[in-house]
Amino acid sequence: GEDVEQSLFLSVREGDSSVINCTYTDSSSTYLYWYKQEPGAGLQLLTYIFSNMDMKQDQRLTVLLNKKDKHLSLRIADTQTGDSAIYFCAEESSNDYKLSFGAGTTVTVRA
Amino acid sequence: KAGVTQTPRYLIKTRGQQVTLSCSPISGHRSVSWYQQTPGQGLQFLFEYFSETQRNKGNFPGRFSGRQFSNSRSEMNVSTLELGDSALYLCASSVNTPGELFFGEGSRLTVL
Repeated sequence: GEDVEQSLFLSVREGDSSVINCTYTDSSSTYLYWYKQEPGAGLQLLTYIFSNMDMKQDQRLTVLLNKKDKHLSLRIADTQTGDSAIYFCAEESSNDYKLSFGAGTTVTVRA
Repeated sequence: KAGVTQTPRYLIKTRGQQVTLSCSPISGHRSVSWYQQTPGQGLQFLFEYFSETQRNKGNFPGRFSGRQFSNSRSEMNVSTLELGDSALYLCASSVNTPGELFFGEGSRLTVL
């Protein structure tokens, strides 16, 4: 079955870059996603990348995908206090009707 | 456009009781998925419905069930509640699964 792993915590100084890493096991993944959850809220889709891409940039967000190593990362440039949240990576299988989520990385931005 | 609406937002039950949670998807979204979120387990997939049909089911016991109505609204039911069922239950809708999921704010269930 699918297994998605992330580190649980990341602390970063305001203005620095944050890098959140994720590994997955399903080689048939078609899309990989990054979601953000703020306190007391549901998850919000941040960005996604198709499995045949290496990189995708969207304003302050950069997604890197190493399909050979099944490694996904999310870089947030110029991290702000509003970026403090839990970040989930998720993979979509090509023949399934669900996303498999990692446990989430809690990002804390300190002044 | 209204977002995904889940009711109730908070509820407290005792062991052995049953609970029904409701989810109204975004208008035009025909797929509804349910996830259980707990601090230790992260998000665990419960089931997904599309046009009133369950297309996939996670590894939860039969006490967890769901359904979808013709207007795409969905309900999930948990019978014979256990302490371990305490969690945030999240509903998500999409135009075409899995695609982009739009999550509601969740229903926080506490079992005493």
